[in-house]
Amino acid sequence: TQLLEQSPQFLSIQEGENLTVYCNSSSVFSSLQWYRQEPGEGPVLLVTVVTGGEVKKLKRLTFQFGDARKDSSLHITAAQPGDTGLYLCAGAQDSGAGSYQLTFGKGTKLSVIP
Amino acid sequence: DTGVSQDPRHKITKRGQNVTFRCDPISEHNRLYWYRQTLGQGPEFLTYFQNEAQLEKSRLLSDRFSAERPKGSFSTLEIQRTEQGDSAMYLCASSWDFSSPLHFGNGTRLTVT
Repeated sequence: TQLLEQSPQFLSIQEGENLTVYCNSSSVFSSLQWYRQEPGEGPVLLVTVVTGGEVKKLKRLTFQFGDARKDSSLHITAAQPGDTGLYLCAGAQDSGAGSYQLTFGKGTKLSVIP
Repeated sequence: DTGVSQDPRHKITKRGQNVTFRCDPISEHNRLYWYRQTLGQGPEFLTYFQNEAQLEKSRLLSDRFSAERPKGSFSTLEIQRTEQGDSAMYLCASSWDFSSPLHFGNGTRLTVT
């Protein structure tokens, strides 16, 4: 059972379009992180959201953490070819003894066509 | 800050052989993690270290896998008697403490033939 469900799994859009990808779970997370991964490389952190209802903006990217801290979304405005990549969400839960277990979703593979 | 480095970047081995991967974390980071990522999946947690102590291991980490971080700096991940199902990208990450974001290396891609 996948703890974090990401949708859509694949997304192909034209340059300049807007898009939203989703990360959903039935579990509550103490924080949620978004990463972007390019082929042959490790994931790179984009943002961490901690508070329910929190909204963070990073240039053309807007991240929202659900009020109940179970879900999150990433909205990209005016997508560019450089946004192409695998977008991963990862939820942190306290697994005890001060250890925060980070669980990743399967990711959304985004292709932005020039 | 030179980032997390992993060596080798690629490894091709025959089934039954042993392989060892190395990870050099960001120098001031106390925590070091190993993840495995297969095609179409997100990274899956294998194990992590707080300094030299291995504090948690996933059920994914069979007896054929062993990880060490002898001086609390670099870490090695060894897979004995490799199987084709071990083919994956092995990612190392480090962080300052338990609540800090992870910094990933670019991984070691293992292919078992």
